[in-house]
This record gives sequence, structure tokens and C-alpha cells, in this order.
Amino acid sequence: TQLLEQSPQFLSIQEGENLTVYCNSSSVFSSLQWYRQEPGEGPVLLVTVVTGGEVKKLKRLTFQFGDARKDSSLHITAAQPGDTGLYLCAGVSYTGNQFYFGTGTSLTVIP
Amino acid sequence: GAGVSQSPRYKVAKRGQDVALRCDPISGHVSLFWYQQALGQGPEFLTYFQNEAQLDKSGLPSDRFFAERPEGSVSTLKIQRTQQEDSAVYLCASSLRPVTAANTGELFFGEGSRLTVL
Repeated sequence: TQLLEQSPQFLSIQEGENLTVYCNSSSVFSSLQWYRQEPGEGPVLLVTVVTGGEVKKLKRLTFQFGDARKDSSLHITAAQPGDTGLYLCAGVSYTGNQFYFGTGTSLTVIP
Repeated sequence: GAGVSQSPRYKVAKRGQDVALRCDPISGHVSLFWYQQALGQGPEFLTYFQNEAQLDKSGLPSDRFFAERPEGSVSTLKIQRTQQEDSAVYLCASSLRPVTAANTGELFFGEGSRLTVL
């Protein structure tokens, strides 16, 4: 059972296009993280958002944490082939020691 | 090494065999997690250790799965009597501090152990 649902599950776009990935839950999280995973490797942390409504920018990536601390989004501007990978949101719930990951969004950017 | 190391990278087992997967976390890291990941999906939580204490094992799919971290460093995930549905990548991650809701920290992952059960 995964508490964090991501959409879309798969995304294939042309280089230069913009995209948004969503991470939703019915549970409240104290913070949410976004990771990116490439084939054959483990996930690598991109960002942590800790305040409801917070927006963080990392070059062409913009991350937002929902006001109610139940959801988050990742927006990529002018996608590049190097952005290709599996994007994962993650968080620790208030109720336990379980560090949950989302269902994942597989992004392919076509040159 | 400086990162999380997992072995073996690949394991093929016949149905019914026992397997053991090893994780060497980053030295000094208190927290250690095991995850199971199907192709193209997000990792699913299996178990969490804080030093040698297994604080949560609610994600282990059945009593055929067992994990230990006896000295608070290296951890082993053991799967007994493997079945085809156990085929997956098993990821290990460590974090410097205890993971709590108030202090998420960063997880550092190994490259995973890919298990194929025939």
C-alpha cells in the first residue's frame, strides 16, 4: 500500500516542452521530498519542501508543497533529454517510522 | 567506499531457494531502510532500523522475509523459500540521523539487488 499517488504514471514529451508531475495523498506530511532515479541506480534526492505553500526552484525545476501539506507538484520548464528518469515523491507520515515513496512518474524527453 | 553498497547486484534463484541480500550503509549512518521496487514503480517500504533496533517491519510481505542489523551497521535481508512474486529490485537506503516526522533527512540509496526467481 502506497500513501502517495503520483500522476501521470508515464510521460513522453519533446525536448523544450514544459510538464508538471503531481503527488497526492489523503495523509498530512511534515515535509515532502522529490527524488529522481535513473535505470540501474538508486533514487537521488532533488529537494525537500517543509512549509505548507512553499515553492522551491532548482534551475528549470519548480517544486511546490500544498497548503494543507497533503500534496506536492514538480514543474519542469523546457525539458531536456537529461531530465529523463523516474521521478518519485516521498515523505514520513506523522504516524510512524515509515518513509513512504510515491507510485512514480516515468519521464522520457525525446530529442 | 563513500556510498551505500549492496550485494549481490544480481541474483537468480530457483523457486523454493533461500536468498540473502547484503547492505553496507554509509559509515556512521543511524537509519537504514529496505525497499522492494517493481519495474517502473515507486519503492515500497519493507522495514526500518535505527542502529541495531528494528523499529518497523510492517512492510515485510510475509514471514518468509526477515531482516537484521545486529551491530548497527551492515544489514541483511533474507528471503526464505523464494517465490516468483518475490522477483524485484531490493533497495537499501541509509540516513545520518534517526528519521522522524519532524526530521526527514536525506536517504542515500545503494544501486539495489535485482532478484529473479525462476
